[in-house]
Amino acid sequence: AQTVTQSQPEMSVQEAETVTLSCTYDTSENNYYLFWYKQPPSRQMILVIRQEAYKQQNATENRFSVNFQKAAKSFSLKISDSQLGDTAMYFCAFMTTYSGAGSYQLTFGKGTKLSVIP
Amino acid sequence: DARVTQTPRDKVTEMGQEVTMRCQPILGHNTVFWYRQTMKQGLELLAYFRNRAPLDDSGMPKDRFSAEMPDATLATLKIQPSEPRDSAVYFCASGLQTGADTQYFGPGTRLTVL
Repeated sequence: AQTVTQSQPEMSVQEAETVTLSCTYDTSENNYYLFWYKQPPSRQMILVIRQEAYKQQNATENRFSVNFQKAAKSFSLKISDSQLGDTAMYFCAFMTTYSGAGSYQLTFGKGTKLSVIP
Repeated sequence: DARVTQTPRDKVTEMGQEVTMRCQPILGHNTVFWYRQTMKQGLELLAYFRNRAPLDDSGMPKDRFSAEMPDATLATLKIQPSEPRDSAVYFCASGLQTGADTQYFGPGTRLTVL
């Protein structure tokens, strides 16, 4: 079974600064996908960024980028130029792609609560 | 702007009552997932449908929970009878499984069982 670990329950960052959220995972699979989802106080789960394990290039979406280290099974999220609207819970998630009963399901970490301070 | 919808947004009920939560996936998506979120357990998968057929419901307490897709535009999650430990936020997500694809989440139903 896959596991996802987010070791930072809470973090804070000053507005306009950069912050990095950590995520590690454990799997025996070679092909999989990794995601970061954001959950603001509205509780809506919003996709932030996605990374395919077969791609060496790190994914980037505007101010959000990842540092994907496949050998280390690490998938951190970097938020640049933090904005007040980035205040939310951030969840790291893993999806396996093998054909089987557990395929295409998301396994989530416990989340990191990020507060952006004005 | 296509999105997953869920009703009701909030539900308060008494122990022993039946609860039905509904989800409308994004048009054209062929996979639907039900997740439960609690402070203690985090986000857990309850059930998973592909092309309306249940593929995995191993995360669901079988004696009281049931999930169905009567048609491609509606998924339901039913709890009968409800218990206080069922209090949680229940999310529906949908995706287009052409490989592994992104799951898009609805706004969730917050269930409180008194």
